[in-house]
Amino acid sequence: AIQLTQSPSSLSASVGDRVTITCRASQGINSGLAWYQQKPGKAPKLLIYDASSLESGVPSRFSGSGSGTDFTLTISSLQPEDFATYYCQQFNSYPHTFGPGTKVDIK
Amino acid sequence: QVQLQESGPGLVKPSQTLSLTCTVSGGSISSGSHYWSWIRQPAGKGLEWIGRSYTSGSTNYNPSLKSRVTISVDMSKNQFSLKLSSVTAADTAVYYCARANFRLLHYYMDVWGKGTTVTVSS
Repeated sequence: AIQLTQSPSSLSASVGDRVTITCRASQGINSGLAWYQQKPGKAPKLLIYDASSLESGVPSRFSGSGSGTDFTLTISSLQPEDFATYYCQQFNSYPHTFGPGTKVDIK
Repeated sequence: QVQLQESGPGLVKPSQTLSLTCTVSGGSISSGSHYWSWIRQPAGKGLEWIGRSYTSGSTNYNPSLKSRVTISVDMSKNQFSLKLSSVTAADTAVYYCARANFRLLHYYMDVWGKGTTVTVSS
């Protein structure tokens, strides 16, 4: 199974900060990667698919990049509603594994 | 606007079978090109992909659970279901159902249920 690692595992940031989260795959997955946002007690929400495509309705401050084994999720200007845990998930091969998550909290 | 809702017992005894249903509203489960998926999350931990079923009955399962899992679609009821046999305490988690929709290259989970907590305990 393909393993995904995320860094950092947690970070503290302020409103307005630029935040970058990294997801690394144990083998190449082309562009078959999604990013989700999850708030406490809620289901995950799809933000980015195919590594860099913004899901409809998601604010443009979210962006994704990368291909192969290294991917990033960037929040250009952190907003209060963005404090959450972010997960990557690969879709290149079964099982469709998730990364361990990155928790973004308030500094 | 398609919505999903999980239902089923909140408590299951060890060695028994966990059975959950996801009801699809706001659209037909048989329309479009979708996979119907299950994901779980133990308390305070990360997400685990369980598997998915296409409306044709074609399925893909997580190998770590494959011998115990069955996912099926009931188009007449606009529902899909999860059965997990021989459960242990390690299967205690919040279980989510989700729709996987085709986006350029793959099927991504774009609509999720709110989740239902299942505890395995005698």
